[in-house]
Amino acid sequence: DTGVSQNPRHKITKRGQNVTFRCDPISEHNRLYWYRQTLGQGPEFLTYFQNEAQLEKSRLLSDRFSAERPKGSFSTLEIQRTEQGDSAMYLCASSLVSKEYEQYFGPGTRLTVT
Amino acid sequence: GQNIDQPTEMTATEGAIVQINCTYQTSGFNGLFWYQQHAGEAPTFLSYNVLDGLEEKGRFSSFLSRSKGYSYLLLKELQMKDSASYLCAVRNTDKLIFGTGTRLQVFP
Repeated sequence: DTGVSQNPRHKITKRGQNVTFRCDPISEHNRLYWYRQTLGQGPEFLTYFQNEAQLEKSRLLSDRFSAERPKGSFSTLEIQRTEQGDSAMYLCASSLVSKEYEQYFGPGTRLTVT
Repeated sequence: GQNIDQPTEMTATEGAIVQINCTYQTSGFNGLFWYQQHAGEAPTFLSYNVLDGLEEKGRFSSFLSRSKGYSYLLLKELQMKDSASYLCAVRNTDKLIFGTGTRLQVFP
């Protein structure tokens, strides 16, 4: 399968712990996006990369959140000192710069903070 | 500010036609998207409008009026598998701003 993949698919953690999620975009896709989705809501933009450069970060993203894409391929999203309000589905999407209107989403990582 | 409105829920009968409306007020506009999302799954791309008018793709069509800040998704010959959430999203620079989604239930 050559789609966007995300790992893990599910993560349960205790409040205060750190978690890290990984996203592998479609190969050749140079743009990578992170979104967060809570139940009954649409996805909310968090941040995006073009190759390894982080071009935009939402004001919704607190200092506890950090994302990297060190080699311009896969990306990681880390949440430090998790809070119950961080419980959500974290979605990754990728696209080509030349076709940035076609964003393909991965299956998501569902985070539950207890 | 950014505001995208769509109905929360709709119901329809198998074989019928349904229209899902979306109105938007955003600080920037580079196109409007419709995505389908089944429960627990990732959104999948349905359509993209950047110019005014109707885009048809099989059983699905999408319309855009930029002057009115309005779009709709038209689903024809509804099937049970069309039961899902339909997300309207506006592209603002390089990111997508999503509405809350319309949950469509198709009944036999």
